[in-house]
Amino acid sequence: GESVGLHLPTLSVQEGDNSIINCAYSNSASDYFIWYKQESGKGPQFIIDIRSNMDKRQGQRVTVLLNKTVKHLSLQIAATQPGDSAVYFCAEARDTGTASKLTFGTGTRLQVTL
Amino acid sequence: KAGVTQTPRYLIKTRGQQVTLSCSPISGHRSVSWYQQTPGQGLQFLFEYFSETQRNKGNFPGRFSGRQFSNSRSEMNVSTLELGDSALYLCASSIGQGVGTEAFFGQGTRLTVV
Repeated sequence: GESVGLHLPTLSVQEGDNSIINCAYSNSASDYFIWYKQESGKGPQFIIDIRSNMDKRQGQRVTVLLNKTVKHLSLQIAATQPGDSAVYFCAEARDTGTASKLTFGTGTRLQVTL
Repeated sequence: KAGVTQTPRYLIKTRGQQVTLSCSPISGHRSVSWYQQTPGQGLQFLFEYFSETQRNKGNFPGRFSGRQFSNSRSEMNVSTLELGDSALYLCASSIGQGVGTEAFFGQGTRLTVV
């Protein structure tokens, strides 16, 4: 069955350092992967996505890496800021043309220390 | 541009009652998905609607139902509430259907069943 998991439940980093959040997935048929950020009291917010035909995608201060061989996804945040403190979820989906169902991982809490 | 609006924000119901939650998507968005978020199970997909038709359904009992209106607004209903239904219910809207179309989440409705 489908499952998306995370290696670490909590990650603590110092302000200014780079953060790496990891995610393992088990469905080799997944076509699309997304990282979401969820702050306390808010809904998940889209950060960056990547399709299975890519292995790297960069955004503003964020990079997503996809390793299909080992079914591993990571989110790198450069120069981590206090505002980055949140729970981060990876999600995956299979492109059927019509389905938008996302399967979410359990989440990693990122704590940024000053 | 207004975001996804969910009402009410908080709700307390008694076991055995039923509840209806509402979601107004971003203007122009035709796809609405619902998710349940709990500390134990994380974010789980409930169902997705596009143009008033249910396109996809998660693994939830028949007590959970939904619908979408012609203006794309959506409601979900839970009948015969159980204590385990206590959760944050999130609605996400996207402009189209299928993967690759960014989903925007609302702040959710916090349902507590006592």
